[in-house]
Amino acid sequence: KNQVEQSPQSLIILEGKNCTLQCNYTVSPFSNLRWYKQDTGRGPVSLTIMTFSENTKSNGRYTATLDADTKQSSLHITASQLSDSASYICVVSDRGSTLGRLYFGRGTQLTVWP
Amino acid sequence: EADIYQTPRYLVIGTGKKITLECSQTMGHDKMYWYQQDPGMELHLIHYSYGVNSTEKGDLSSESTVSRIRTEHFPLTLESARPSHTSQYLCASSMGQGPTGELFFGEGSRLTVL
Repeated sequence: KNQVEQSPQSLIILEGKNCTLQCNYTVSPFSNLRWYKQDTGRGPVSLTIMTFSENTKSNGRYTATLDADTKQSSLHITASQLSDSASYICVVSDRGSTLGRLYFGRGTQLTVWP
Repeated sequence: EADIYQTPRYLVIGTGKKITLECSQTMGHDKMYWYQQDPGMELHLIHYSYGVNSTEKGDLSSESTVSRIRTEHFPLTLESARPSHTSQYLCASSMGQGPTGELFFGEGSRLTVL
């Protein structure tokens, strides 16, 4: 069964600290993996996309990694800010059919305290 | 910032009422989706459309219906709302082949059925 598991479920850090969020998946055949940020009361917004051949990709203070062999991805946030408080959702796409489909994780709820 | 809009943002109604959640996008995307999101849970696809006059049910069984008469408009209708329909409903759109491209989400419609 194709699944996406995220950890931790929730995380509290102090402003300025770094943190790493994890995403493990069993989706096969793999197409790509996206990290979305969802602020409270808003819709998710894409942060980065990882394809099979990519190991690391950065978007400002966000750095995503992908290990396609172990089927793991991480999202590292550097020098956290209060505005980073949000839910971070891992979404994996397959290419098992003509159109493919998406598998969503339950998200990691990050809270940044001043 | 994505140009996809949902109304109403919040709705509280009584059991048995008919409601329509509106979703419009100005990006010209062919593909549009409705997701249901409950706290701490993954997004579940309830309906999708790959173009005008094309609609399909998603993975989550739903008593709602959708229509796609115009590219930019994808409303969701509940003929008779029940307390079990209380949830957050997210509309999204994407471009490219299949659903594996970046999703652009609206800000959501939070429905409470009393």
